[in-house]
Amino acid sequence: QVQLEESGGGVVQPGTSLRLSCAASGFDFDEYAMYWVRQTPGRGLEWVATISNHEVNIYYGDSVRGRFTVSRDNSRGILYLEMSDLRGEDTAIYYCARAMRDSSGFFCDLWGQGTLVTVSS
Amino acid sequence: QPFLSQPPSASASLGASVTLTCTLNSGYSNYKVDWYQQRPGKGPRFVMRVGTGGIVGSKGHGIPDRFSVLGSGLNRFLTIKNLQLEDEGDYYCGADHGGVSKFVAVFGAGTKLTVL
Repeated sequence: QVQLEESGGGVVQPGTSLRLSCAASGFDFDEYAMYWVRQTPGRGLEWVATISNHEVNIYYGDSVRGRFTVSRDNSRGILYLEMSDLRGEDTAIYYCARAMRDSSGFFCDLWGQGTLVTVSS
Repeated sequence: QPFLSQPPSASASLGASVTLTCTLNSGYSNYKVDWYQQRPGKGPRFVMRVGTGGIVGSKGHGIPDRFSVLGSGLNRFLTIKNLQLEDEGDYYCGADHGGVSKFVAVFGAGTKLTVL
């Protein structure tokens, strides 16, 4: 079955770190770029990071650049998001998504169910 | 970078049709936009990509024929015919911008669709 499953969310204090994982199954993980996208409860979607299939190109949104690190283990089919110096505004549901590429750019054709990160003292 | 505007809400009766609009900011009229559906409590689901020439590529997995798109100027439209209760949810448009050295992805704020 083609799917993505996030894990690693939880309640953490401000200033601490947390690592999220996204396990891919049912497709050739190393052929796809991947996204992390977050959603504040009750609000819209915010792009967090994009990583190319072999980690050559990595991009971050302005609000997380310098604090978050995206990586992947193609041999295990897992995408990671290492989050440090967490702030209250990082509280969100974090989704991983598979990115298809065409001549117009990327679109996310497969999404996970998300994992909730709550940053609170 | 592109900016995407969406009305916060839309509603239509069961069995009727509704058109959702995503508007690009000036200077980005050649950009393609992706539509995503998010049902309550679920992750987003890719619907389809749209440019000024209409659909680009294929619809997302399981998206029924009732869903169609058009593009005109700065506007990208998603039309849903014969509305069903299962169509209720939030609809987001998204786009990306940039090349190898700089990349950004953006989403509209979403439109909440209510089926009456």
